[in-house]
Parts: sequence; C-alpha cells; structure tokens
Amino acid sequence: EADIYQTPRYLVIGTGKKITLECSQTMGHDKMYWYQQDPGMELHLIHYSYGVNSTEKGDLSSESTVSRIRTEHFPLTLESARPSHTSQYLCASSGGGPNEQFFGPGTRLTVL
Amino acid sequence: AQSVTQLGSHVSVSEGALVLLRCNYSSSVPPYLFWYVQYPNQGLQLLLKYTSAATLVKGINGFEAEFKKSETSFHLTKPSAHMSDAAEYFCAVSDRGFKTIFGAGTRLFVKA
Repeated sequence: EADIYQTPRYLVIGTGKKITLECSQTMGHDKMYWYQQDPGMELHLIHYSYGVNSTEKGDLSSESTVSRIRTEHFPLTLESARPSHTSQYLCASSGGGPNEQFFGPGTRLTVL
Repeated sequence: AQSVTQLGSHVSVSEGALVLLRCNYSSSVPPYLFWYVQYPNQGLQLLLKYTSAATLVKGINGFEAEFKKSETSFHLTKPSAHMSDAAEYFCAVSDRGFKTIFGAGTRLFVKA
C-alpha cells in the first residue's frame, strides 16, 4: 500500500542530544518536504528535496539538516537538540501534477 | 509573492448546520489551490484541489469549494455538519512551482 511513514511518533529528549527523525514514502515521489508546525500557526517549510542528492533549505531557518540518498527516504537530523526545537515535524511527498502533497502522521518532539 | 489568509481561527457550528470556512489568497500567477484537513495527532489529508478546470470543486466527505478569481477567494463549504467533521482545516496555494504556502488553519467545532 502506497503511504508515507514517520518514526518516532513521539520523542522526549534532553538538551544537547543528537536526534534523527525518520521519513519514508512508498509512492516513488521525487519531491519531499519537512515542515515545522506549532499550535495555531501555519506550516513552515524547513527543508525540501527535488530528488536523490538534492536538498534545499526552506523559508524557516532551522538548525536541522537533511539527506536524500534514496528516493524513498528523507531523514532530518538535529545535532544538538534545544528546548526551542520543541514542535511537531511533518514530512510530506509530492509526485507530478499540481503539487498535491501527501503527509505523514508527524513526529511530536519535546526537548527538556 | 504568494500568501493565504484564513478568516477565523475558530469556527463553531451545530450538527446539521452549514459549514463555511473562508480563505483568501494572493498570487502573481494563476494558482493551484488546496484544502487540507488535520485530525488530532495526524498529518494533513487532502480534501480537494483547484487546478484551473471547473471553478466549483467537490472533495471528500461532502465538502466543496468555489474558486472566485474576482474575489481571490476559495471558501470551503459543506451543507450539513457532522460531528466527525471536527478538525483543523488548512487552505493552501501553490504557484505551480515547487512550494506551497499554507494558511494558519481554522479549527472547526461541531456542537451536538
């Protein structure tokens, strides 16, 4: 079944720890995105990728990094987590056509 | 530059009443327009999309939206609200390129 997956769903971690949020899609989409979402706020694009070995920073400045070594996999890494990184992180993918995006269930990150 | 404004961060309706969620957009080129729905602890799911075909677009779960170029609006409606419609709704605009801009969202409450 074509889908998009994110793990973990919830993560509570201490300041200074390195974390990786996983995102995988089985739809063969070239375009993938990471958004940050805070309650009552619009989604903010933090990273995107056109395809393998292509990554770009989004509109919202982020201390995270991403990689795209395989079409289906687009992990996001924080080298040193801080309380300001507490948020929900949504991964999405898009194929051709009008840029309709398919979203994963999200990872809710809390940094203590 | 593109932008999206959703009027009303919260909307409350009675079960069986009309649902109207307002969205106005700004775009320098003919846009693609979308409505997404987000249920608690889930990612966003596409409700419907406008891609320059019919101006009245029908989506899932009985929702529809009408593209009005003269008013730069893309309001979402449903004739009769159901308890299961309670969720957060996001309007989004794409310039037919890579990026999509999301509104801040409108939380819909449905009263029994």
